[in-house]
Amino acid sequence: GESVGLHLPTLSVQEGDNSIINCAYSNSASDYFIWYKQESGKGPQFIIDIRSNMDKRQGQRVTVLLNKTVKHLSLQIAATQPGDSAVYFCAETFNTGNQFYFGTGTSLTVIP
Amino acid sequence: NAGVMQNPRHLVRRRGQEARLRCSPMKGHSHVYWYRQLPEEGLKFMVYLQKENIIDESGMPKERFSAEFPKEGPSILRIQQVVRGDSAAYFCASSPRGKGTGTEAFFGQGTRLTVV
Repeated sequence: GESVGLHLPTLSVQEGDNSIINCAYSNSASDYFIWYKQESGKGPQFIIDIRSNMDKRQGQRVTVLLNKTVKHLSLQIAATQPGDSAVYFCAETFNTGNQFYFGTGTSLTVIP
Repeated sequence: NAGVMQNPRHLVRRRGQEARLRCSPMKGHSHVYWYRQLPEEGLKFMVYLQKENIIDESGMPKERFSAEFPKEGPSILRIQQVVRGDSAAYFCASSPRGKGTGTEAFFGQGTRLTVV
């Protein structure tokens, strides 16, 4: 399943399928990006990060892709599991700034 | 190494009362960020502090809100004369270095403020 965070805030996928969550960022000066996972009633949890000098980074079952040309970031989750159900936020920041800018978030629901 | 600790987890205040939210950063972290989250929305930056200094408060409302991070003790976010619109989840994050170095921030579990 695939979603664009700003236009489709919810995504439902079957357990075992791959998930793709998209994020469009606005600041061309942003040079560091983080994906966070937030489960209901909890704080955001770091998943994976990527710097602007990279276009791909892989973690355990997750991959982040960065396309600076179109200012687009995506999070791919392989073999999605029920425990992956949460809201996923992308956050961007730039070196001279003091804060992370968070997107609206995409709610992922994994169907057993 | 305990994570970022926020307390209380839930806080109920009547309109006009004061709310005090506390955040103890991770051990060794001297940079603290406060964010506010409304239901089904993203996190909005409020303030960035280092020990004894406010570095960036561009996201803080001009009135009723204040934050501090003393040399000893937790960071405090204070909201005076609360109104219903202050009801939200308030998250604190800490990092060992300033964000400018591309360092991830670790979040606490948040304080859910309800104004009745």
